[in-house]
Amino acid sequence: QQPVQSPQAVILREGEDAVINCSSSKALYSVHWYRQKHGEAPIFLMILLKGGEQKGHDKISASFNEKKQQSSLYLTASQLSYSGTYFCGTEGEGNTPLVFGKGTRLSVIA
Amino acid sequence: GAVVSQHPSRVICKSGTSVKIECRSLDFQATTMFWYRQFPKQSLMLMATSNEGSKATYEQGVEKDKFLINHASLTLSTLTVTSAHPEDSSFYICSARVTSSYEQYFGPGTRLTVT
Repeated sequence: QQPVQSPQAVILREGEDAVINCSSSKALYSVHWYRQKHGEAPIFLMILLKGGEQKGHDKISASFNEKKQQSSLYLTASQLSYSGTYFCGTEGEGNTPLVFGKGTRLSVIA
Repeated sequence: GAVVSQHPSRVICKSGTSVKIECRSLDFQATTMFWYRQFPKQSLMLMATSNEGSKATYEQGVEKDKFLINHASLTLSTLTVTSAHPEDSSFYICSARVTSSYEQYFGPGTRLTVT
């Protein structure tokens, strides 16, 4: 079942923060986050595994609440290069394929 | 991160012909690869899961006789679109899973246009 992402779209000024949420109606083993720019393939950002993780590198981090079946991606002090569509991909138990949300379109303006 | 290549990046073919797309994991072995299709401004739709040495698992609604998948080695999976029609025009993207970490990396995609 497709995870639900929110918001659908967001516009930020450089330096502002944003949070993108991903929720599933099914039990999750992992959540994967990607950023895709127009005409290109998705770029892997991070994976969070069952157990309730929090991860981050540079100014992008994410959390995974296994009990609530939710994950959030945090972008702080946004840069122009952060613009793109962010997808969460969720994986259930049993090594199942990723199912992607509809995406969140993020635009960072100067 | 791991690198996945895909070839060709862009192909234009005539209706009724077949097109083969290759997906390679360059610096790791991938027992499992995935094929997705993406329409403009839409999400990634899983078409099939490709397992090395065994038959692919197709998602509901994907015709296995039309979209032939072969995963002959731990670094190569191919998708052949047979008897292509204009409605098959799309962006096809493969991904490969790193067995040890569960991370999944995408190839650069193939834009198929059927005229």
